Amino acid sequence: LAKTTQPISMDSYEGQEVNITCSHNNIATNDYITWYQQFPSQGPRFIIQGYKTKVTNEVASLFIPADRKSSTLSLPRVSLSDTAVYYCLVGAEAAGNKLTFGGGTRVLVKP
Amino acid sequence: DTEVTQTPKHLVMGMTNKKSLKCEQHMGHRAMYWYKQKAKKPPELMFVYSYEKLSINESVPSRFSPECPNSSLLNLHLHALQPEDSALYLCASSQDFQGAGSRTEAFFGQGTRLTVV
Repeated sequence: LAKTTQPISMDSYEGQEVNITCSHNNIATNDYITWYQQFPSQGPRFIIQGYKTKVTNEVASLFIPADRKSSTLSLPRVSLSDTAVYYCLVGAEAAGNKLTFGGGTRVLVKP
Repeated sequence: DTEVTQTPKHLVMGMTNKKSLKCEQHMGHRAMYWYKQKAKKPPELMFVYSYEKLSINESVPSRFSPECPNSSLLNLHLHALQPEDSALYLCASSQDFQGAGSRTEAFFGQGTRLTVV
């Protein structure tokens, strides 16, 4: 299983862009990269998934360099409601057979 | 309907009690999961069901007993729990039981906050 490493926490201010980088040095050729968001006392929520280059949806963007050994989740113009824990999952961890979470990044958005 | 519904939302039980947590989804998903989450920790996988059969048990103590009566329902039966079992119990589902590298979006319920006294 590809192991992921993320910063434990990040602080930001309303209106700023937040970028969270996840390292996954032993990512396998077929592995996808998936990000989840979790608010306190709620279940995680799927944000975005990608394989290479860039993926964008209405919530976030995901940047994946050519070597795929890392990925960056970008949250544009954050608001207080984006305060949450963000988890990066890779490959077999994100596959339906074993959805295994790493440590996650606790993002605090300040006014 | 993209909801996973868990009941009850809160549960307080004694160490000698028997209780059950319930989870329901109507998205036609064939993989369902139980997770345990302690405060400020990531969710820990407990069990995975695929096509109503138990496919993964992450060495969970036998005081936790999962059951999948049909493709829409998942239960977690609790018996003789310890105070350290107090946690948020999350249920999730995904479309299929897929191998490594597949694209999977899992949907989570709101969880059951369990307190063992």
